[in-house]
Amino acid sequence: KQEVTQIPAALSVPEGENLVLNCSFTDSAIYNLQWFRQDPGKGLTSLLLIQSSQREQTSGRLNASLDKSSGRSTLYIAASQPGDSATYLCAVSIYNQGGKLIFGQGTELSVKP
Amino acid sequence: DVKVTQSSRYLVKRTGEKVFLECVQDMDHENMFWYRQDPGLGLRLIYFSYDVKMKEKGDIPEGYSVSREKKERFSLILESASTNQTSMYLCASSSIGAVNTEAFFGQGTRLTVV
Repeated sequence: KQEVTQIPAALSVPEGENLVLNCSFTDSAIYNLQWFRQDPGKGLTSLLLIQSSQREQTSGRLNASLDKSSGRSTLYIAASQPGDSATYLCAVSIYNQGGKLIFGQGTELSVKP
Repeated sequence: DVKVTQSSRYLVKRTGEKVFLECVQDMDHENMFWYRQDPGLGLRLIYFSYDVKMKEKGDIPEGYSVSREKKERFSLILESASTNQTSMYLCASSSIGAVNTEAFFGQGTRLTVV
């Protein structure tokens, strides 16, 4: 059974710092991996989608990498800002199960001014 | 702009009531999903649907049912609401493709059962 783990569970950094969030999964038979952002009490906003054949994706200050063979993904946030404070979730789309997503528990990020 | 819209942001219902949570997407997506999110438990899949009138149970379907009469609309039904169904409910949709299909979520419905 696919399991997704995110480390750390919470992270507090000063503004301007570069940071890395980690996501690991137990079964490499995935279609893709998606990173989401969730603000308190709100829905999920898609940040980046990495297809299983890709190694990384970039959007602005965000860069996500995927190493399928080792079951790992990282989300790199450059020059963090207070507005980046949120919970970040990774999810894998399970092979041959039509788009179902299995989520990690999330990393709660706080960026201090 | 792609959009998944849930009918209510907040709902308060009484124990035993039949509750309907509605979700509409405007992206012509085939797949639609209902998740619930609880502290310490993360997001868990309740039901999903690949097509109109098609539905599949997720990991925690007990106490819930769903309806998909039109492609753009997916409803979650709590047959007889109970206090342990107090939660944040999230609807999502995605296209039928596999590798490059991106899931989009609604804004969530915070349901409180009293």
